[in-house]
Amino acid sequence: EAQVTQNPRYLITVTGKKLTVTCSQNMNHEYMSWYRQDPGLGLRQIYYSMNVEVTDKGDVPEGYKVSRKEKRNFPLILESPSPNQTSLYFCASSLYSGQGHEQYFGPGTRLTVT
Amino acid sequence: AQKITQTQPGMFVQEKEAVTLDCTYDTSDPSYGLFWYKQPSSGEMIFLIYQGSYDQQNATEGRYSLNFQKARKSANLVISASQLGDSAMYFCAMRAMNTGFQKLVFGTGTRLLVSP
Repeated sequence: EAQVTQNPRYLITVTGKKLTVTCSQNMNHEYMSWYRQDPGLGLRQIYYSMNVEVTDKGDVPEGYKVSRKEKRNFPLILESPSPNQTSLYFCASSLYSGQGHEQYFGPGTRLTVT
Repeated sequence: AQKITQTQPGMFVQEKEAVTLDCTYDTSDPSYGLFWYKQPSSGEMIFLIYQGSYDQQNATEGRYSLNFQKARKSANLVISASQLGDSAMYFCAMRAMNTGFQKLVFGTGTRLLVSP
């Protein structure tokens, strides 16, 4: 089954404790992206990647890191999480980054930082 | 800069009726794509429909159609014959050429409630 998977689905952590949210897709997509969703703000793009070893900042990259060492994986790293990073996080992928390519979303990771 | 505006925080509709969810966009690019996504209470994001800026016809996918008015910069989603399962958040989003289509910008969403 074609899908985007994220782990963990739920995470409660404390301020400053490094964490990684994994994202993997099995569709051989070149483009992958991370979003955060907050009430009243919709989804905002954190980072995106056009292909292996090619990543760039989205609109809200502060406090996050990413890497793309393999085509299928695009982990999101929070080196020192803070409470303002409490949010619902989505990973997404599309075949390419072109105009008409819809993105397939993972199930989401709900992160709480205390 | 790109921007998507969804002015309806919430909408109510009765089952079997049609409903229109508004979306206006702002971009100076001639080439862009517009998307609608549905987010049910379970949380996943489901792609519904796509409209390209050069498409002459309004996009349709089953009960979903997109009322694309380029001069007004609007891309409203029309759901015909609403069903209880249509109750969800709906997001309008855009990709534009000035970002190399790398960035997908979302609106703040509209919560639709379908009543029996």
